[in-house]
Amino acid sequence: KNQVEQSPQSLIILEGKNCTLQCNYTVSPFSNLRWYKQDTGRGPVSLTIMTFSENTKSNGRYTATLDADTKQSSLHITASQLSDSASYICVVTYSNDYKLSFGAGTTVTVRA
Amino acid sequence: SAVISQKPSRDICQRGTSLTIQCQVDSQVTMMFWYRQQPGQSLTLIATANQGSEATYESGFVIDKFPISRPNLTFSTLTVSNLSPEDSSIYLCSASPPTGGTALKNGYTFGSGTRLTVV
Repeated sequence: KNQVEQSPQSLIILEGKNCTLQCNYTVSPFSNLRWYKQDTGRGPVSLTIMTFSENTKSNGRYTATLDADTKQSSLHITASQLSDSASYICVVTYSNDYKLSFGAGTTVTVRA
Repeated sequence: SAVISQKPSRDICQRGTSLTIQCQVDSQVTMMFWYRQQPGQSLTLIATANQGSEATYESGFVIDKFPISRPNLTFSTLTVSNLSPEDSSIYLCSASPPTGGTALKNGYTFGSGTRLTVV
């Protein structure tokens, strides 16, 4: 059973609008949570990294939040651009382990 | 974070042949990882490659099918052997920074991926 669940599976938004992606995890003990952006045919690129003591982290128009008590994270994209069209992957790391647990990703399509 | 050059970016191979994928890192890294990403799915870890020791394979992946080399701290190869159409996928390498504690805080870097099509 996947320990990282993402929703929605996909979404379509108009250019300039905002959107929020969700990630729920059951990984325990938890170390940190990362959001990656993966363009079609490319490798994932890191957007944000948060440890359990951090509850928000921004990278330009991307803002991630983390609630370690409820084991939920969100990624908010502000004023979307066509270049934001990609898959966004939530990745969680166990404490004392280098292995990564990947969500299935949310595919975002931004339309003009 | 390290920068990884992965090649080839894509290839079309015949059944029964093999494909070797290379990843070159611009700095020394302790651990490198190989992943498979099937269409529409997330990344699945194939194996972890440490320099100077045999790779550690995940359940469902075996060395005969996916031999890995890690001759030094900046380079690794993955070979996908005896290809079948089911092996058509994207293969990605990843690297962690050299220090364990730092690795947990910093971003794992990924190569740009190799899209393999088996015909």
